Amino acid sequence: SQTIHQWPATLVQPVGSPLSLECTVEGTSNPNLYWYRQAAGRGLQLLFYSVGIGQISSEVPQNLSASRPQDRQFILSSKKLLLSDSGFYLCAWSVVGGLNIQYFGAGTRLSVL
Amino acid sequence: GDSVTQMEGPVTLSEEAFLTINCTYTATGYPSLFWYVQYPGEGLQLLLKATKADDKGSNKGFEATYRKETTSFHLEKGSVQVSDSAVYFCALFYNQGGKLIFGQGTELSVKP
Repeated sequence: SQTIHQWPATLVQPVGSPLSLECTVEGTSNPNLYWYRQAAGRGLQLLFYSVGIGQISSEVPQNLSASRPQDRQFILSSKKLLLSDSGFYLCAWSVVGGLNIQYFGAGTRLSVL
Repeated sequence: GDSVTQMEGPVTLSEEAFLTINCTYTATGYPSLFWYVQYPGEGLQLLLKATKADDKGSNKGFEATYRKETTSFHLEKGSVQVSDSAVYFCALFYNQGGKLIFGQGTELSVKP
C-alpha cells in the first residue's frame, strides 16, 4: 500500500534561518506531488506541485522554493524564513490522471520566531 | 475562475444533532467534487466524492449529493458524534485545470 511521510512533525526556527522540509512517498511510481500551507484559521493554499522529477510549478510567488530530486521525494526550502512563513505545511500525492484524489501527509507545524 | 465556497464556521452542535455544511462551487465545466476531513493536528483525509451530477457520495454516515442545478455539494450527517469534531473541506477537481481547488474549510465542534 502507499504511504506518505513528512518530517519533521514540528519545527521552531528563528527569522532569517534556512528551511528544509522533506516529503517522501512509498508504494507508487511517478506520483504528482504537492506542497500546501495552512495558516492558522485559514484554508489550504497550494504552494507548489510537481508532475515529475525536476518539474516544479509555483502557485504563489514568495521566498519558498521546492525541488524534486527523486521520483518520490519532494522538498520545500527557504534561504531565509520570515515570520509570515509560520503555519502548517502539508505534502500530498496523487496518481497521474484520473480524479486527482490527493493523499496527505501528517503535516509539519512550523513556527518562525 | 473555478472556486469553492463553504459556510462559515465554527459550527457547534450537540451529540446526535443533524449536521449540514453548505458548499457551492463555480466551474466552467463538469468537475468532480470531494469532501475532505482534517482531524486536529493531522493531515487531510478523503471523506467522500461524487463524479457526476446527481451522484451521492457517502462514507462513515456522511452523505453529499452533487447538485448541478444549484452547483452545490452540501455535506450531511443524521447524528453527529464527538469524534466527528474536525475541519471539513469541500473541493473540486476540474480535469482541464489539473488541480484540486479547496474551499476555506468549516470547523465542526461536537459537544457531549
